[in-house]
Amino acid sequence: QQQVKQSPQSLIVQKGGISIINCAYENTAFDYFPWYQQFPGKGPALLIAIRPDVSEKKEGRFTISFNKSAKQFSLHIMDSQPGDSATYFCAASGMGRRALTFGSGTRLQVQP
Amino acid sequence: KAGVTQTPRYLIKTRGQQVTLSCSPISGHRSVSWYQQTPGQGLQFLFEYFSETQRNKGNFPGRFSGRQFSNSRSEMNVSTLELGDSALYLCASSWRENTEAFFGQGTRLTVV
Repeated sequence: QQQVKQSPQSLIVQKGGISIINCAYENTAFDYFPWYQQFPGKGPALLIAIRPDVSEKKEGRFTISFNKSAKQFSLHIMDSQPGDSATYFCAASGMGRRALTFGSGTRLQVQP
Repeated sequence: KAGVTQTPRYLIKTRGQQVTLSCSPISGHRSVSWYQQTPGQGLQFLFEYFSETQRNKGNFPGRFSGRQFSNSRSEMNVSTLELGDSALYLCASSWRENTEAFFGQGTRLTVV
């Protein structure tokens, strides 16, 4: 019940296109859902996060959509750029714990 | 504001040895969590410390241990190293529960 399932495993998008990464969770006690971006040789960097009381959050080109009833959330990267090429991880936490349960990651490649 | 600092960045150890990794959180953050990242298992939670107390522990053997000092700096120790312990060990700091966790660049441990 602690799992967070992420798809797709890899994604190739053309420059200027929209990148969409999906995650699904099982534990209804999760109440914090962040997305992280990781470049090779670096630690994950927090991109954007959402809580279940809102259905959408936008920060610049990055948008999280959240569907509480379906227990799903997704990351949309608008106007994708080659510099966005990285691995993206969704995560979840809750029950007063700081421990994050991570998805398996999506390797995004944005082609020029 | 300085980020999360992990030292050393790289380590090579021999099977059977022990290793200690260090993490200095962002100033003012009292929570430190540790994660192991491997290609096969992804990002997995090790343990979490808050105000020098271990709050949560992941599903790792007792060879993995940690502690937190009064200045919030944390160390993790792995004893009797195995080849499978080769991984990127990441430290994350946060201010309180279910808030943004910021990761360091990690310590790349190679066990030979």
